[in-house]
Amino acid sequence: SQELEQSPQSLIVQEGKNLTINCTSSKTLYGLYWYKQKYGEGLIFLMMLQKGGEEKSHEKITAKLDEKKQQSSLHITASQPSHAGIYLCGAENAGNMLTFGGGTRLMVKP
Amino acid sequence: EPEVTQTPSHQVTQMGQEVILRCVPISNHLYFYWYRQILGQKVEFLVSFYNNEISEKSEIFDDQFSVERPDGSNFTLKIRSTKLEDSAMYFCASSGPWGRTNEKLFFGSGTQLSVL
Repeated sequence: SQELEQSPQSLIVQEGKNLTINCTSSKTLYGLYWYKQKYGEGLIFLMMLQKGGEEKSHEKITAKLDEKKQQSSLHITASQPSHAGIYLCGAENAGNMLTFGGGTRLMVKP
Repeated sequence: EPEVTQTPSHQVTQMGQEVILRCVPISNHLYFYWYRQILGQKVEFLVSFYNNEISEKSEIFDDQFSVERPDGSNFTLKIRSTKLEDSAMYFCASSGPWGRTNEKLFFGSGTQLSVL
């Protein structure tokens, strides 16, 4: 079965700083999803990547999928307190399901 | 933006009792899912549902679990005889006409189930 490892597990940054979260798969990715989770809330869709080398941006968040489609990164530029939460990567499997990584807990200090 | 809604947000039950968790997927979506997250652990897939039948299920989804789409709007997860280890946040999700290929998977806010 496919395993996703996220790093770091937790991250504390000063407001305004940039940061990167990584997601590494044990197998080639068919599709890679990034979600944000806040306590007591559901998973908020951020981006989906499918092609090797693909890069997508939304506001200050950029996600990339490497050429070999086994690693993805999520980069936040000029972090704000509103970026705080748990970031999850999810891999689309050949079956009709997503496998999630363990999450990266982000705290942004004002 | 359209939303997946789940009720209740919190459910407390006694071990051995039956619980039904309810979800209203986005109205034009055709694929429905349940996931769960035990505190401190990964979000795990339970089951997917399409065209009024289960299309995939995980090892977690044993005979104690069942899903149903009783009408055109609701999608339910039933746990027949709850165990302590069923305590978790349960998320409902749905996706559009194309399944998950090139489609967002929309998640609800979850139901926190506590089994005492």
